[in-house]
Amino acid sequence: DTGVSQDPRHKITKRGQNVTFRCDPISEHNRLYWYRQTLGQGPEFLTYFQNEAQLEKSRLLSDRFSAERPKGSFSTLEIQRTEQGDSAMYLCASSPGPGTEDEQFFGPGTRLTVL
Amino acid sequence: AQSVAQPEDQVNVAEGNPLTVKCTYSVSGNPYLFWYVQYPNRGLQFLLKYITGDNLVKGSYGFEAEFNKSQTSFHLKKPSALVSDSALYFCAVRDINTGGFKTIFGAGTRLFVKA
Repeated sequence: DTGVSQDPRHKITKRGQNVTFRCDPISEHNRLYWYRQTLGQGPEFLTYFQNEAQLEKSRLLSDRFSAERPKGSFSTLEIQRTEQGDSAMYLCASSPGPGTEDEQFFGPGTRLTVL
Repeated sequence: AQSVAQPEDQVNVAEGNPLTVKCTYSVSGNPYLFWYVQYPNRGLQFLLKYITGDNLVKGSYGFEAEFNKSQTSFHLKKPSALVSDSALYFCAVRDINTGGFKTIFGAGTRLFVKA
């Protein structure tokens, strides 16, 4: 399968713990996006990478959140000192570029539950 | 600021009947508009997009959407619904004038197609 993959698919953690999620985009895609989706809502934009450069970051992304894409391939999203409000589905998507009109290809998501 | 409204939480339609899922948007500049579908336990999938040109765009699975600039709408349509079309549908907008790749999603509309 050459689609976007995310790991883990599910994560249960206790409040205050740190968690890290991984996203592997489609191999030739140089753009990568992270979203958060809560029940009954659409995906909320968190951040975006063009190759290894993080070009845009939502105000939703507090200082406890950090994302990296060190070699322009896979990406990680880390949440430090998790809170119950962080419970959500975290989605990763990629797109090929270079145009601005390209659609995004989504992974299956990582469901985070903070107890 | 960009925004998307999907005024209906749920749309019910009988199999074989035409369906419409509504979407209105707000951007400061010109929009790129997208429709995505989310089936249970699967990631979001791209259906179709409006970039420029013909206001009626055709996409996957027999879906089409009509861009109406004066009404700032981008309604999704299908002439004859199938039970397998039952899913969660998201409208999304990107403001091309801002130069970024931030995509704003609506809250989603759940489509139920009854046999």
